[in-house]
Amino acid sequence: KNQVEQSPQSLIILEGKNCTLQCNYTVSPFSNLRWYKQDTGRGPVSLTIMTFSENTKSNGRYTATLDADTKQSSLHITASQLSDSASYICVVSANNAGNMLTFGGGTRLMVKP
Amino acid sequence: SAVISQKPSRDICQRGTSLTIQCQVDSQVTMMFWYRQQPGQSLTLIATANQGSEATYESGFVIDKFPISRPNLTFSTLTVSNMSPEDSSIYLCSVGMGNTIYFGEGSWLTVV
Repeated sequence: KNQVEQSPQSLIILEGKNCTLQCNYTVSPFSNLRWYKQDTGRGPVSLTIMTFSENTKSNGRYTATLDADTKQSSLHITASQLSDSASYICVVSANNAGNMLTFGGGTRLMVKP
Repeated sequence: SAVISQKPSRDICQRGTSLTIQCQVDSQVTMMFWYRQQPGQSLTLIATANQGSEATYESGFVIDKFPISRPNLTFSTLTVSNMSPEDSSIYLCSVGMGNTIYFGEGSWLTVV
């Protein structure tokens, strides 16, 4: 069964600090891995997308890594801001069509002043 | 990129009633999807909205409960029928363009 596991479930950090969120998956076949940010009550917004051959991808203060051999990904947030408080969802896709997505449970990040 | 507009953004509904959610995309897309996100949980695919034919439903979701229309390549509706408190969720429209999946802002339904 395809699964995406994220850790930790929740995280509290101080503004300005860095943090790393983890994502382990068992999805086959594998097409790509996406990280989304979801503010409370809003739709998910894409942060990064990585294919099998990509090891790292950055989007501003967000850097995602992918190890396709161990089926692990991480999302590193640098110099956190209060606006980073949100849920971060790891999504693994078996194709590009959008109908074969496996969602992780998300990590709820709270950044405190 | 794609801009997705959903209506309503939020509603409080009486149990036993039905509500239709609209999804409008600013460009033509082949694939449109409807997701449900129950409180504190991740997204679950309800169905793929097919233009010109019946929607394709995932296991656990049926047309009588979640009828879907897709009259053209930029618009779709999802109806939540005969609502119960268990239907209280965020309902999200999603489209695929290139290798990116976009989500609407969601429709937050509370059934009382």
